[in-house]
Amino acid sequence: SAVISQKPSRDICQRGTSLTIQCQVDSQVTMMFWYRQQPGQSLTLIATANQGSEATYESGFVIDKFPISRPNLTFSTLTVSNMSPEDSSIYLCSVAGSASTEAFFGQGTRLTVV
Amino acid sequence: QKEVEQNSGPLSVPEGAIASLNCTYSDRGSQSFFWYRQYSGKSPELIMSIYSNGDKEDGRFTAQLNKASQYVSLLIRDSQPSDSATYLCAVNQGGKLIFGQGTELSVKP
Repeated sequence: SAVISQKPSRDICQRGTSLTIQCQVDSQVTMMFWYRQQPGQSLTLIATANQGSEATYESGFVIDKFPISRPNLTFSTLTVSNMSPEDSSIYLCSVAGSASTEAFFGQGTRLTVV
Repeated sequence: QKEVEQNSGPLSVPEGAIASLNCTYSDRGSQSFFWYRQYSGKSPELIMSIYSNGDKEDGRFTAQLNKASQYVSLLIRDSQPSDSATYLCAVNQGGKLIFGQGTELSVKP
């Protein structure tokens, strides 16, 4: 499986600010996804990061709040904008070789908004 | 109706017993199914994938799939305290993994 590096691993941010999370993969991958895991909850898909085009967002998530970039097949960023305490969560980058195969996760970014 | 449903638990089993984890899904078109293990404070780790009806065994783990009943399960034989974690069922729907809420497993020595 690919080696997925996500940073920062954790951060404490002031409300109203923005944080950009980076996801770097050691090999080219077709599919990259961003998930959120709120405290004590399961994983919720935020969006699919599409290489060279706009991300595809799930219901309840919008580009203005969670802008995503994917400039190539090994790198993506997720920005959490205008943060509020409700954005405190773990954000996870995930990659897959194709649309039907298993996905692997980065180590996650634990975000606390104060 | 939730797309992927699991009993949240906690499920407690004694060491050496068989742990049985269950999952149902709503999308009949789903073709790929996965079990992930997540230790507290860590990211999910893939432990099993299954694509065809029937059983798939890997060491102490057996995944079972029944597409007609829209049901997938995970059996853990000879459970160990190190198996204590949250187990997440994931179903591929339209190229995206949709996760259940997870079942917390506790294996008591």
